Order: sequence, then structure tokens, then C-alpha cells
Amino acid sequence: EERLVQSGAAVRKPGNSLKISCATSGFSLTGYWVGWVRQRPGKDLEWVAFIYPRDSDVRYSPSFRSHVTLSVDRATDGATAFLQWNTLEASDTGIYYCARRKGSSWSGLIDLWGLGTQVIVSS
Amino acid sequence: EIVMTQSPATLSVSPGERVTLSCRASQSIGDSLAWHQHKPGQAPRLLIYDASLRATGVPARFRGSGSGTQFTLTISGLQSEDFAIYYCQHYKKWPESFGQGTRLDIK
Repeated sequence: EERLVQSGAAVRKPGNSLKISCATSGFSLTGYWVGWVRQRPGKDLEWVAFIYPRDSDVRYSPSFRSHVTLSVDRATDGATAFLQWNTLEASDTGIYYCARRKGSSWSGLIDLWGLGTQVIVSS
Repeated sequence: EIVMTQSPATLSVSPGERVTLSCRASQSIGDSLAWHQHKPGQAPRLLIYDASLRATGVPARFRGSGSGTQFTLTISGLQSEDFAIYYCQHYKKWPESFGQGTRLDIK
């Protein structure tokens, strides 16, 4: 079964750091990008960033470029992608869905989603 | 950035009915349009891609249509498991943006 397995919910204070993960299983990485889509409370879904596990090529949404870091560890049977914040802000609160994206760096279709990781940033 | 606008925000319908959800793009996206279904506590699920093609395992009661800037998702004979939030998303170019969603509620 093709799956994206995400890390559990996290609660942090503003200024803290955080790293969440998404592990792929059940499919070949060839041709797929993996990334995160955020949904803040009452807001629209929005892409954060995605990475091509084969060569670690990363694309960031302009709104997130200087605020998060996306990385990947490859294994023989899949990969684990990581989304990291060095300095969290209250506005980072939301659900972060891992998504598999099929296509190129400039155009791609999400065809598989994870369950989501709830991130709460509050003092 | 291309802006996607969905209507209505909420639809209250009875099982067995047919519903049509709308999605509009702020500029032409050809047929680079997907529909995703999201139920509470579950991972979202791709339903339709390339505006009208059903993803693997999606029942035939789901039909997507449209091109350019106007798109629709029609669900015929609503089943209890179809009550969810539906999002349209373009993938014409990066960044690939989403509509705000249409919630289908049971009447």
C-alpha cells in the first residue's frame, strides 16, 4: 500500500525550533516530489515546499522560503522528508499535510496525501 | 499567482440527490485542475485530475468537467460517505493553489 506516514502533533512556544517528518512507503520515488501543504485554522490550503528525494532538489513557496528548511533522508525502500523551523511563530500554527506530487519542479499533481501533523505554537 | 474560487462555501443536501460544485480560476489553466475530497480525521484524497479523469478507485458517480477558467464537480446519487469538504486545485504552474473548499452537509 502506498503511504505517507507523518510524525505526531507538536506543541511549542514562539521562538522554539521544530522538525516534523514524513516517511514514504509502498512506492518508488522515481518521478515523485514530496512536500508539505499547510492549513491554518479557518484558512485555505497552501503549499509550503516540496523536495525531489532522488537529488534533494527543493522548491519553496515564496511565503515560506526564508522561514523553513526542507530536507530528505533516502533509504533503500523509501525516504523520509523533514520540515524544520529554527524560530517558530504563532502564525505557524496549523495542520501540515505531507503530499506526494507527480510532475516537474514547475508543474505537478498531488496524488497522495498524509494524515497531517498538527503544529501548535503558543506561549 | 493564480487564485482559485469555489462556490458555494456550503451545500446542504440529502442522500440520493445530485449536486454540482463550482470552481473558477483567475486565469486560464487549461485542464490542469484537480479535485480533492477531505473527510474529518482522514487524509485528503485525490478524486479527479486533468479536470475530468477519475483517480484510481473513484466511483463513477463523481464527474469532473470544464476547462480554461470554469470547472465543475458533479456527484450523482449522493452516498453517506460523500459528505466531506471538496477542494479544487490547479497545477498549471508553481505555486499550485487551492480553492477555499465546499463543504457538503447532510440535510
